[in-house]
Amino acid sequence: DGGITQSPKYLFRKEGQNVTLSCEQNLNHDAMYWYRQDPGQGLRLIYYSQIVNDFQKGDIAEGYSVSREKKESFPLTVTSAQKNPTAFYLCASSIRGASGGRSSYNEQFFGPGTRLTVL
Amino acid sequence: RKEVEQDPGPFNVPEGATVAFNCTYSNSASQSFFWYRQDCRKEPKLLMSVYSSGNEDGRFTAQLNRASQYISLLIRDSKLSDSATYLCVVNIVTGGNKLVFGAGTILRVKS
Repeated sequence: DGGITQSPKYLFRKEGQNVTLSCEQNLNHDAMYWYRQDPGQGLRLIYYSQIVNDFQKGDIAEGYSVSREKKESFPLTVTSAQKNPTAFYLCASSIRGASGGRSSYNEQFFGPGTRLTVL
Repeated sequence: RKEVEQDPGPFNVPEGATVAFNCTYSNSASQSFFWYRQDCRKEPKLLMSVYSSGNEDGRFTAQLNRASQYISLLIRDSKLSDSATYLCVVNIVTGGNKLVFGAGTILRVKS
């Protein structure tokens, strides 16, 4: 079955520790995204990648880092510099992002999410 | 003004009712519009894309009004299983191009 997987589903971290969230897709999608969702708020974009070995900051990139060494994988590291990391983290992918002159978006497909709690 | 605004609700309706949600967006250059459904503590899932001419999928109808910069979602004959949060999603073309998610409208269908 094609899809997006995220692991772990729940993650607990002590303050001051870095933690890496996994996101893998076998949909052959070029673009991948990381969002965080806080209660009562919309999804906010952390980082996105339109192609392998390239990524851009979203609206709330401070305290986060990513890599895109393979098309299938887009891991997110939550560093100790992130002041309020407790949230629901969602990874998404789409066939293509808005690049190369395209101004419209394909729909995004989401993984099941990781709930991160900082103790 | 928020880039994408939705009435948070909750909308409490009986089974069989017709319910409509509106969403307004700030960027007149937007070209991509979607409605997503999100169940409690789950990931958002695409409900339908919204096209200029309007589109229907079973009990669900989406409309786009570019002049007034709003999109709507109409649900007919509501089912208990329709209870969820409905997210309005629009691409905002200001200083780049990104998808922006509204905070969502909560729907509760009761028997």
